[in-house]
Amino acid sequence: NAGVMQNPRHLVRRRGQEARLRCSPMKGHSHVYWYRQLPEEGLKFMVYLQKENIIDESGMPKERFSAEFPKEGPSILRIQQVVRGDSAAYFCASALTGGGYEQYFGPGTRLTVT
Amino acid sequence: SQQGEEDPQALSIQEGENATMNCSYKTSINNLQWYRQNSGRGLVHLILIRSNEREKHSGRLRVTLDTSKKSSSLLITASRAADTASYFCATVKTQGGSEKLVFGKGTKLTVNP
Repeated sequence: NAGVMQNPRHLVRRRGQEARLRCSPMKGHSHVYWYRQLPEEGLKFMVYLQKENIIDESGMPKERFSAEFPKEGPSILRIQQVVRGDSAAYFCASALTGGGYEQYFGPGTRLTVT
Repeated sequence: SQQGEEDPQALSIQEGENATMNCSYKTSINNLQWYRQNSGRGLVHLILIRSNEREKHSGRLRVTLDTSKKSSSLLITASRAADTASYFCATVKTQGGSEKLVFGKGTKLTVNP
């Protein structure tokens, strides 16, 4: 049973470009969470999705950021018109159920905005 | 503000010694979880302790929970160089009808061979 997959592992974008981060949850998991981590910091919650639905996006900036989890295919976190402050590691986690129980994390995507 | 706050921020010990990390939180919880993160990697779930439990063991890990003091501790016994990592506690925050994990800033543990 493969773990949570994220790609790309490293992404470099120039200011103003778009960044697309992909996350494939563990088999059988329909709950996906996205987190952002700055150097030497803990993870900050961004958005929680369940197949085709955004359950909670309270941690995601209202502008430039969007997330989806379609019926088929991976979950996508999209950042439009990236700025230097978007440089961070973005982690996806999946869970069998909601309710704040054990989550399984992917290896992360390190985004660098130049 | 962070729900969970770990201390110390950094801890350096020799192989074979025990390592203790603490976590304090602010609001009531259903459970508290500890995760490990190796440098440049994702988080790995270590252990979950429910609010009605006081202590839990898993291999060389021992977690305690004191809900009256709103604190938890993670003890790693007989540490190994491979235990070098950052350790985070996470609590569940209910907001807007959903539960989500809130992480502290972590304790960076270095185990010297």
